[in-house]
Amino acid sequence: EVQLVQSGAEVKKPGESLKISCKGSGYSFNSYWIGWVRQMPGKGLEWMGIIYPGDSDTRYSPSFQGQVTISADKSISTAYLQWSSLKASDTAMYYCVRPMYSNSWYRMDYWGQGTLVTVSS
Amino acid sequence: QSALTQPASVSGSPGQSITISCTGTSSDVGGYKYVSWYQQHPGKAPKLMISDVSNRPSGVSNRFSGSKSGNTASLTISGLQAEDEADYYCSSYTSSSTLVFGGGTKLTVL
Repeated sequence: EVQLVQSGAEVKKPGESLKISCKGSGYSFNSYWIGWVRQMPGKGLEWMGIIYPGDSDTRYSPSFQGQVTISADKSISTAYLQWSSLKASDTAMYYCVRPMYSNSWYRMDYWGQGTLVTVSS
Repeated sequence: QSALTQPASVSGSPGQSITISCTGTSSDVGGYKYVSWYQQHPGKAPKLMISDVSNRPSGVSNRFSGSKSGNTASLTISGLQAEDEADYYCSSYTSSSTLVFGGGTKLTVL
């Protein structure tokens, strides 16, 4: 069974750094794109970017390019989303996602449970 | 890139059919067959309902169907049920090799 298990909720202050994780299991982690989706409180879904763990090929939404870093560690089947300096506007639920097929990264069949990030002074 | 345009809300009575539109441009919806639809209930992660414009993943009710004409994709739900009340989002592949979501539509079952 394919599972994406995300790290727990975080409460941070503006200016702090953060790295949240998404561990994949039940499939060959190297062979499927992993993406990240943001949902701010009471708002819609926003696609942030994706990574192919096999070769670390990474693509970002223009809205998030330079604002976050997406990475993956194949050895522990885990993808990451990180910030170097958080802002209050980063407060949101973050989901990791995976497609059904390895070459169909544009569809999000599997979703993690979400990680709530709260940034407040 | 701008978000795809969806109506903020739609409503229907049990048993009726409703359609939610998703309008983009020739650089996203109109240019590719990679449109998906997601259902999200409050407090839950979204669920894929339609991929590749009109394909239903295994386990999704055949009451859900998708189509596309020009730069506008549509999700139709027939035989509305109370459990269909949720937020619905479309997404599309773009010419920049990225994805873009619609703003979301709140479906109310009257």
